[in-house]
Amino acid sequence: GDSVTQMEGPVTLSEEAFLTINCTYTATGYPSLFWYVQYPGEGLQLLLKATKADDKGSNKGFEATYRKETTSFHLEKGSVQVSDSAVYFCALSTRAGGGNKLTFGTGTQLKVEL
Amino acid sequence: GAVVSQHPSRVICKSGTSVKIECRSLDFQATTMFWYRQFPKQSLMLMATSNEGSKATYEQGVEKDKFLINHASLTLSTLTVTSAHPEDSSFYICSARAVLSNTDTQYFGPGTRLTVL
Repeated sequence: GDSVTQMEGPVTLSEEAFLTINCTYTATGYPSLFWYVQYPGEGLQLLLKATKADDKGSNKGFEATYRKETTSFHLEKGSVQVSDSAVYFCALSTRAGGGNKLTFGTGTQLKVEL
Repeated sequence: GAVVSQHPSRVICKSGTSVKIECRSLDFQATTMFWYRQFPKQSLMLMATSNEGSKATYEQGVEKDKFLINHASLTLSTLTVTSAHPEDSSFYICSARAVLSNTDTQYFGPGTRLTVL
């Protein structure tokens, strides 16, 4: 079945540091890939997405490139801020079977300190 | 655009009572809504897929008689936790997919924190 594997957290960084959160996936067919962010006490917000191989999703300084050859969708940001502290979820969606179900990774907590 | 609301945001109830959670798409119509459950420091677990005007499709292991889902209109789905017990305490999140959307994007509500005493 479909699955998403994320690096375990928490990840603790100093402000302005470079961020990478690894995400790999297994899926049948050609999934769409997503990164969602969850701030404390809130629901999930779509951060970025990519729908086909080699697409790059980007938003708020975050980027991720859909790599079919390595089945990866790593999240990167060149300079993190304290306000980026949150839990980040990698997810995939396929149109097979039951439709556009999202399969989530376990989430990676990011803590950014001054 | 694409705002999804949930009500209530927090609810505390006694064991044995039923609790209803509403999920609304505020500025778009959603043929499909999804209900998730999130345990502390864990990922979201899909409970069921709700389609307007038809019965919900439950994931394996989710009791449909305990978690009643009604998707009565294109902007409203409700989840009723019947005869709630402390182990039902969790964060419940809904999401919605727009009608005639050619994308896979789901828009999430802010979640409902249920505490059963």
